[in-house]
Amino acid sequence: SQTIHQWPATLVQPVGSPLSLECTVEGTSNPNLYWYRQAAGRGLQLLFYSVGIGQISSEVPQNLSASRPQDRQFILSSKKLLLSDSGFYLCAWSPSDGPSYEQYFGPGTRLTVT
Amino acid sequence: GQNIDQPTEMTATEGAIVQINCTYQTSGFNGLFWYQQHAGEAPTFLSYNVLDGLEEKGRFSSFLSRSKGYSYLLLKELQMKDSASYLCAVRDRWRTGANNLFFGTGTRLTVIP
Repeated sequence: SQTIHQWPATLVQPVGSPLSLECTVEGTSNPNLYWYRQAAGRGLQLLFYSVGIGQISSEVPQNLSASRPQDRQFILSSKKLLLSDSGFYLCAWSPSDGPSYEQYFGPGTRLTVT
Repeated sequence: GQNIDQPTEMTATEGAIVQINCTYQTSGFNGLFWYQQHAGEAPTFLSYNVLDGLEEKGRFSSFLSRSKGYSYLLLKELQMKDSASYLCAVRDRWRTGANNLFFGTGTRLTVIP
């Protein structure tokens, strides 16, 4: 069966510091991968998605970036965190073929920028 | 773009039935999903509708009317553990790549004894 891992689970970082969140998927190959952010009391906002190694699409302009160095690894980074970057970061995967392409979420990373 | 509306909060009694509505506007509808999210946890997939009608899965059912841009999630025989947020998400075929989903802000359901 497929599993998705994220780490760290929680993180407290000062403004201006760098960020690196990691996501890995097991039990499947060539998945579509996604990074979402969920701010307190708000919906899920899609940040990045990837259909293959080295292929990253950004949904919203921001000070975050993503990379996919391996088929089942997805990394979210920032060079300088802002207060507004606080939130619950979720990685998700979906199969790359049908029929429904439902997305499965990792456990998430709760980031607090102070 | 996409516009997804759900009630913010609902309260229901243990053992009862509750219906959570979702309306959407999208240019290239290609599927609607319901997710359950307990506080502090990741969303978990509940159901998928792409054709009109009712999909039943145990105590949970999901309905879709594409002509009305409307879906609902029906929860029967409510249990305390059903207290969670329920997220409606829509897929749009005209959005490039990766079968992206667009989520509503979710409905927080509280089940009371």
